[in-house]
Amino acid sequence: AQSVTQLDSHVSVSEGTPVLLRCNYSSSYSPSLFWYVQHPNKGLQLLLKYTSAATLVKGINGFEAEFKKSETSFHLTKPSAHMSDAAEYFCVVSEDDYKLSFGAGTTVTVRA
Amino acid sequence: GAVVSQHPSWVICKSGTSVKIECRSLDFQATTMFWYRQFPKQSLMLMATSNEGSKATYEQGVEKDKFLINHASLTLSTLTVTSAHPEDSSFYICSARDLGTSTDTQYFGPGTRLTVL
Repeated sequence: AQSVTQLDSHVSVSEGTPVLLRCNYSSSYSPSLFWYVQHPNKGLQLLLKYTSAATLVKGINGFEAEFKKSETSFHLTKPSAHMSDAAEYFCVVSEDDYKLSFGAGTTVTVRA
Repeated sequence: GAVVSQHPSWVICKSGTSVKIECRSLDFQATTMFWYRQFPKQSLMLMATSNEGSKATYEQGVEKDKFLINHASLTLSTLTVTSAHPEDSSFYICSARDLGTSTDTQYFGPGTRLTVL
């Protein structure tokens, strides 16, 4: 069975400071892992995807995530937050690239 | 990038009526589409997998007679909530897999907010 746990329901950062969103996963296989972002009234957008090619995955908008098998983690980071980064972020796991299991989500607010 | 649209974006209906939600892939073909449900401040829960030309596959606990899914073409899937009740009020989101890419990425629609009075 596959599942993800997002450790923070809400993260608040100042503009220009680093962002860290934490995610731990559980899977019986070597999973694919994703981070999606959801802005109000917009569809979920894929930020990045891990598929075992490289443990450090670079995504769009300056985001990156590191896969750590020993810690079963896939934390999302960005060196410098922008106001436009305020949104809901979902960590997602899939054992077959078909069915996606979503974490509970982390709401990011960015202070000016 | 690939775009998935949903219509309507929001709908309010009376208890006991049926509501149809459309999901379209605008610039790609999708033999498989997925329907999710999202409650306020909660995550997305997969309801069913919609396969073009065949019956949908429902997740455990989802009533297939309540949530009718039709995937009649490679660009359109519909979800009909039959005899809707207030507990069916939720945010419904669809996604579609782009056959034309090697990554099998799912593209998500903007969602449909259903309110049943």
